[in-house]
Amino acid sequence: DAGVTQSPTHLIKTRGQQVTLRCSPKSGHDTVSWYQQALGQGPQFIFQYYEEEERQRGNFPDRFSGHQFPNYSSELNVNALLLGDSALYLCASSIAGTGLHGELFFGEGSRLTVL
Amino acid sequence: AQSVAQPEDQVNVAEGNPLTVKCTYSVSGNPYLFWYVQYPNRGLQFLLKYITGDNLVKGSYGFEAEFNKSQTSFHLKKPSALVSDSALYFCAVRDQYTGRRALTFGSGTRLQVQP
Repeated sequence: DAGVTQSPTHLIKTRGQQVTLRCSPKSGHDTVSWYQQALGQGPQFIFQYYEEEERQRGNFPDRFSGHQFPNYSSELNVNALLLGDSALYLCASSIAGTGLHGELFFGEGSRLTVL
Repeated sequence: AQSVAQPEDQVNVAEGNPLTVKCTYSVSGNPYLFWYVQYPNRGLQFLLKYITGDNLVKGSYGFEAEFNKSQTSFHLKKPSALVSDSALYFCAVRDQYTGRRALTFGSGTRLQVQP
C-alpha cells in the first residue's frame, strides 16, 4: 500500500521564479492538504483540496495556489518566489468521511531552497 | 482561534527512563488532539490521537498521552525511553467548534535520548 508520495524531493530556485510541487495521496484517500515547514518550526497550513476544489486556506498570499486532479493527486504552485519561501513543503492526505477525527498521513516533503 | 504550545524546545532523557513531552492547547469548543513524530529529513508520522472517551490514549511505539481538560494539556509519555525515540515531536489540535479541518501544530520539541 503506497503512502503519500511527493516530488521532487529537493529543488533549488532563484528569487522571482515559479515552482510546482506534486503529491499523490495514500490509496483510498480523497483529501489533500499542503503545509509549509520552515526550519525549526512546526508545519503551517497552506490549503486543503477536496473534490477538486480548495476547501480551506491558511494565512498565505495568493502567490500560493493549488490544484487537485480527478485521481485525487494535487499540485502546489508558488509564483514570484521569495527567499522566505525556502522551506520543507509537506503534503498530507486524509479521508473526508473521517471528518474532524481523522489523522493526516504525510509525505516525505519537498525541500525548496530559494537563492 | 485554535493554538498549541509546546513549552520545551528540547527534552533530554536517559535510555530506560520515563519521558514526558508537554503540550497545552487553546480552542473554543472541544479539542481533537494529535501527536506526530518527525525523524531527520522525513515527513511527519502519526503517533496517537484523542477524540473523546478515556483520558489516557495509547499509540504507536509504546507512546501514550494523557488528556487533561482542566489544564488544557495533552502530554506525551513513554514509560521507558529508547535511543531510537530521539526525534522531533509535534502536538496538533483541531477545534470542534470552528469545524476547521486544518490541523494547527505546535513549534515542536526535540527529544534526545542518551544511551
